[in-house]
Amino acid sequence: ETGVTQSPTHLIKTRGQQVTLRCSSQSGHNTVSWYQQALGQGPQFIFQYYREEENGRGNFPPRFSGLQFPNYSSELNVNALELDDSALYLCASSLAQNTEAFFGQGTRLTVV
Amino acid sequence: KNEVEQSPQNLTAQEGEFITINCSYSVGISALHWLQQHPGGGIVSLFMLSSGKKKHGRLIATINIQEKHSSLHITASHPRDSAVYICAVVELQGAQKLVFGQGTRLTINP
Repeated sequence: ETGVTQSPTHLIKTRGQQVTLRCSSQSGHNTVSWYQQALGQGPQFIFQYYREEENGRGNFPPRFSGLQFPNYSSELNVNALELDDSALYLCASSLAQNTEAFFGQGTRLTVV
Repeated sequence: KNEVEQSPQNLTAQEGEFITINCSYSVGISALHWLQQHPGGGIVSLFMLSSGKKKHGRLIATINIQEKHSSLHITASHPRDSAVYICAVVELQGAQKLVFGQGTRLTINP
């Protein structure tokens, strides 16, 4: 077990709704990255937070937003959900940038 | 063309066989990760390497920075090794994000 926990593990939402996914990073890890993994695909980078600031963003629309808190835990918010947002959302934390990443078990989001 | 390409995409072998999964990348990197993903989604980091070779139990990972190529080897494979193996690189430019390959689905039959 990595010490990175995500909640909830599974979630079903209706198109147009909003969702918040949470990630508790491993103790002392100040960098958190979020990834979206569609079925049968490799994960795609959404964004990264380093010491509470966004530190890079992938090719995702602004309705994907995030936060990192002083304890380095993080949230991923998605507004105006679309069917294509159905995926496994993975959070990874690391002690610093460019060090080994530890992944949570993921949140499987289904949009109907 | 993806920045990170893995081969093969699917691999089925018999218990005890020596397994090799390959990863090629086209960008400058600071490190490369090999990850294991079981059904249900959780990802486990197997190796992070930036040069040479690392070994952990029956797993060996090598990287050739000049050729932009890495391999993951499994010796004496076992059915519990069945999983998706993913290669991911940390790009030199920009945020220290991981860029993932599409994964190799490995099935080891008893």
